[in-house]
Amino acid sequence: DAGVIQSPRHEVTEMGQEVTLRCKPISGHNSLFWYRQTMMRGLELLIYFNNNVPIDDSGMPEDRFSAKMPNASFSTLKIQPSEPRDSAVYFCASSPTGGREQPQHFGDGTRLSIL
Amino acid sequence: GDSVTQMEGPVTLSEEAFLTINCTYTATGYPSLFWYVQYPGEGLQLLLKATKADDKGSNKGFEATYRKETTSFHLEKGSVQVSDSAVYFCALTGGSGNTGKLIFGQGTTLQVKP
Repeated sequence: DAGVIQSPRHEVTEMGQEVTLRCKPISGHNSLFWYRQTMMRGLELLIYFNNNVPIDDSGMPEDRFSAKMPNASFSTLKIQPSEPRDSAVYFCASSPTGGREQPQHFGDGTRLSIL
Repeated sequence: GDSVTQMEGPVTLSEEAFLTINCTYTATGYPSLFWYVQYPGEGLQLLLKATKADDKGSNKGFEATYRKETTSFHLEKGSVQVSDSAVYFCALTGGSGNTGKLIFGQGTTLQVKP
């Protein structure tokens, strides 16, 4: 079975450019999560969706970040304009219903470098 | 708020040594507890989980027991292999009213030498 698929795997871009990260969750999973991993702050939840609806976006750092889930099989995380401090590995994860007992399945991440 | 604390790494062991990685948590309610493993260049993979007090999760020779009295979920393995070298994350969900939101510890790097 296909796991969570993220693209691109690596992104290098200049400060000020728009960046779009993409995620395809596991088919049949109704909850989707975006995390950011940095050396300084570890793994942090940015936002999560349930049935395509954003439930908790309290981790989104600022208005430069936005996330959408137009349908059950696709989500995007957009940064506009990007800044060097946004450099990190961004992970997408999905779970069947988002319940507390369900493990989340992670993609391989997008390594983002903002110059 | 909820939090997870893991022992500092890196942990360096010889092959076939016994492994313990300590994890303690702070949460209200009844959280579920997880250990995830991250190999270089990859995403996190679920290693094991426990959803209520005194439950023991186990997988691939790794074990952890949900201890509510000591708010701990220590990871153990009797005999490590070089292939176990990775970063291990302890995490919880479901405390303080949150549902599936994962709260992670800072991660512990394990290096196993032949």
